[in-house]
Amino acid sequence: EVQLVESGGTLVQPGGSLRLSCAASGFTFGTSEFNWVRQAPGKGLEWVSYISTSGSTIYYADSVKGRFTISRDNAKESLFLQMNSLRVEDTALYYCARGWRYFDYWGQGTLVTVSS
Amino acid sequence: DIQMTQSPSTLSASVGDRVTITCRASQSISSWLAWYQEKPGKAPKLLIYKASSLESGVPSRFSGSASGTEFTLTISSLQPDDFATYYCQHYSSYSWTFGQGTKVEIK
Repeated sequence: EVQLVESGGTLVQPGGSLRLSCAASGFTFGTSEFNWVRQAPGKGLEWVSYISTSGSTIYYADSVKGRFTISRDNAKESLFLQMNSLRVEDTALYYCARGWRYFDYWGQGTLVTVSS
Repeated sequence: DIQMTQSPSTLSASVGDRVTITCRASQSISSWLAWYQEKPGKAPKLLIYKASSLESGVPSRFSGSASGTEFTLTISSLQPDDFATYYCQHYSSYSWTFGQGTKVEIK
């Protein structure tokens, strides 16, 4: 069974940092591309970042460029999102999602709350 | 940037109804458009990819179509399990854009 399990979300102050993780199982991690997608409370879905199979190709939404860093560890079958200089508007449920042009598997999400 | 305008934002329907949700692109786009179903507390679920291809395991009452810059998700006969929020998503040149979502409510 394909599983994506996010962790690391918590309450953090504006300007703070956080590292999200996504543990994968049930499929070949190293040949899969991944994304982070977020959903602010009561809002729609917003794509955040993409990483290729080897990690050599990475893209970010303009809203997080320069503050967030996506990475992966194929040996540990894990995806990460390092979030720095967090803002109140980064408050959201963060999903990891597998895929390139579309996303066929999603995790349940981890909640990041940025508030003083 | 390509904008995706999804409509309606809310739709009230009854079990057995035929339901249509539309996503319109701000310019001519490729057919890399997907549709997802989202339910509270659950991960989004892929229904349709490449505009009209049905994801494995998704009931055949769901279908997708495209005409120019307009993409449509149709549920042929709404079932109780289908009351949810639906999103379109477009991909182009390492840019991913979601529509605003359509909440399908019980009438």
